[in-house]
Amino acid sequence: AQTVTQSQPEMSVQEAETVTLSCTYDTSESDYYLFWYKQPPSRQMILVIRQEAYKQQNATENRFSVNFQKAAKSFSLKISDSQLGDAAMYFCALTGANSKLTFGKGITLSVRP
Amino acid sequence: KAGVTQTPRYLIKTRGQQVTLSCSPISGHRSVSWYQQTPGQGLQFLFEYFSETQRNKGNFPGRFSGRQFSNSRSEMNVSTLELGDSALYLCASSWAGGRSEQFFGPGTRLTVL
Repeated sequence: AQTVTQSQPEMSVQEAETVTLSCTYDTSESDYYLFWYKQPPSRQMILVIRQEAYKQQNATENRFSVNFQKAAKSFSLKISDSQLGDAAMYFCALTGANSKLTFGKGITLSVRP
Repeated sequence: KAGVTQTPRYLIKTRGQQVTLSCSPISGHRSVSWYQQTPGQGLQFLFEYFSETQRNKGNFPGRFSGRQFSNSRSEMNVSTLELGDSALYLCASSWAGGRSEQFFGPGTRLTVL
């Protein structure tokens, strides 16, 4: 079985500052993908970034980057230069061969102007 | 390219009724997955369809069913509605399922009275 744990329910960051959202996971598969999704108040799930488990290099997408620690089964998201539009719920998710996305409970990120 | 569309966006039903939700995937995508999102249980995988066949199923009772048509459009049906079925139902499409990136629709908000 796959599990994803996001232990922090809420975080707050000052605009233009950097924030890191934590995620740990567990899976018995060796080939899997990890994702961070953003869900704003509109409820539309938006893919922020993804990481293939076989790649050692951490994924980056503009202001978003991950710290993927495979041995520790840790997958954190760093948001640099935080903007008001980054305020949303963020979900860490994992998928293997079966197409099933397993999500964490999510973290609500607020951005202070 | 048009995104994933879901209809209707909002539904109000009473206990005991049944409901059908529809999802149109991105053109060319053959895999459609359904997820239920509730405040208490978070995001949970319902099932995945690929080329008109159910390929994976989550831990939901038989009242939850689905199907996929030859044009990859998918429907989800819930029979004998219960209060606990009130949720946001999200549909996601991907090119081939598995570890392919999943793109989400805006969701259908179902309220059961």
